[in-house]
Amino acid sequence: EAQVTQNPRYLITVTGKKLTVTCSQNMNHEYMSWYRQDPGLGLRQIYYSMNVEVTDKGDVPEGYKVSRKEKRNFPLILESPSPNQTSLYFCASSLSWFSRDTGELFFGEGSRLTVL
Amino acid sequence: GQNIDQPTEMTATEGAIVQINCTYQTSGFNGLFWYQQHAGEAPTFLSYNVLDGLEEKGRFSSFLSRSKGYSYLLLKELQMKDSASYLCAAFNRNSGYALNFGKGTSLLVTP
Repeated sequence: EAQVTQNPRYLITVTGKKLTVTCSQNMNHEYMSWYRQDPGLGLRQIYYSMNVEVTDKGDVPEGYKVSRKEKRNFPLILESPSPNQTSLYFCASSLSWFSRDTGELFFGEGSRLTVL
Repeated sequence: GQNIDQPTEMTATEGAIVQINCTYQTSGFNGLFWYQQHAGEAPTFLSYNVLDGLEEKGRFSSFLSRSKGYSYLLLKELQMKDSASYLCAAFNRNSGYALNFGKGTSLLVTP
């Protein structure tokens, strides 16, 4: 089954304790992205990747890191989480860069993170 | 990211037609998406417009006017299950390869 898988789905952690949210897709997609979703602010892009070893900042990259060493995986790293990073996080992927026929973004189920 | 504006909330009656508008910056614009998101779930793709005009997919249609920086999503024969948030998203080449979303329009369908 074609899917984007995120883990963990739920996590409560404390300030400063490094954590990684994994994202994996089995569709051989080139484009992958991380978003956070907060009430009243909508979906905001954190980082995205056009392909292996190619990553770039979105609108809200501060406090986050990413890597794209393999095509299928795009982990989101919070080196020193803070309470303002409490949010719902979505990973998404797309076959290639938004051509007319492959523009659909496939989203993971989301990871709800709470930083105390 | 660019400014993408859409109404915060809308209410419509089952069986009716509703139009959800979205405006965006035209400079560097390269394509516009609509996604549906039910509460507690991930967004799902509805449509992608890159050329002017109306694209129809069953009960849902999406319209784009590039010169006016305007799009709308038209939902016909509303059903209760259409109660969801509808997200407008624009790709702007001036923002690299980022895809920016509006804050979403929460649609409530009432009996």
